[in-house]
Amino acid sequence: EVQLVESGGGLVQPGGSLKLSCAASGFTFSGSAMHWVRQASGKGLEWVGRIRSKANSYATAYAASVKGRFTISRDDSKNTAYLQMNSLKTEDTAVYYCTINWNDPFDYWGQGTLVTVSS
Amino acid sequence: EIVLTQSPDFQSVTPKEKVTITCRASQSIGSSLHWYQQKPDQSPKLLIKYASQSISGVPSRFSGSGSGTDFTLTINSLEAEDAAAYYCHQSSSLPFTFGPGTKVDIK
Repeated sequence: EVQLVESGGGLVQPGGSLKLSCAASGFTFSGSAMHWVRQASGKGLEWVGRIRSKANSYATAYAASVKGRFTISRDDSKNTAYLQMNSLKTEDTAVYYCTINWNDPFDYWGQGTLVTVSS
Repeated sequence: EIVLTQSPDFQSVTPKEKVTITCRASQSIGSSLHWYQQKPDQSPKLLIKYASQSISGVPSRFSGSGSGTDFTLTINSLEAEDAAAYYCHQSSSLPFTFGPGTKVDIK
């Protein structure tokens, strides 16, 4: 069974940093691209970025709103993807999901982890 | 960046009624358009892939159509459990994007 479990959310001050994790199981993690999507309270979904597999050179891509501040990485030995968030702004407050294209586009999602940026 | 717009923003519907949600892309995306359902406090769920392809386990009352820039999600004979937000998403080009969502409420 495919499972994605996010962790690492919490309260952080503006300008601070936070690192989220997405622990994966039930599929060949090393061969899969990993995506992050966020959702502010009462708002819609926003694609944050993705990291591809080793076979695709671990290529990353980001939304314009986070480019230069957020970094996605992965540790295939731990079946875990990461989202390093720096220079956080209040508008980064959201639930952050990891998701994959397993058989279909974004067919598996984690439960999400809440990040609150506030002083 | 490809911008997706959805209409309507909100729809209040009686059970068994037909619901139509449209998604328009700012440029042609072929059939790389997918639909998701999100109920309160839940993660999104894939309903339709590549504009019109059905997903195993999703009720047959959900269907999709369109290509290029104009797409439609149809819910035939709405059920109470279909109360949710619906989002379109394009995977044609980076950065991937989502539509702003359509909230469907049951009268």
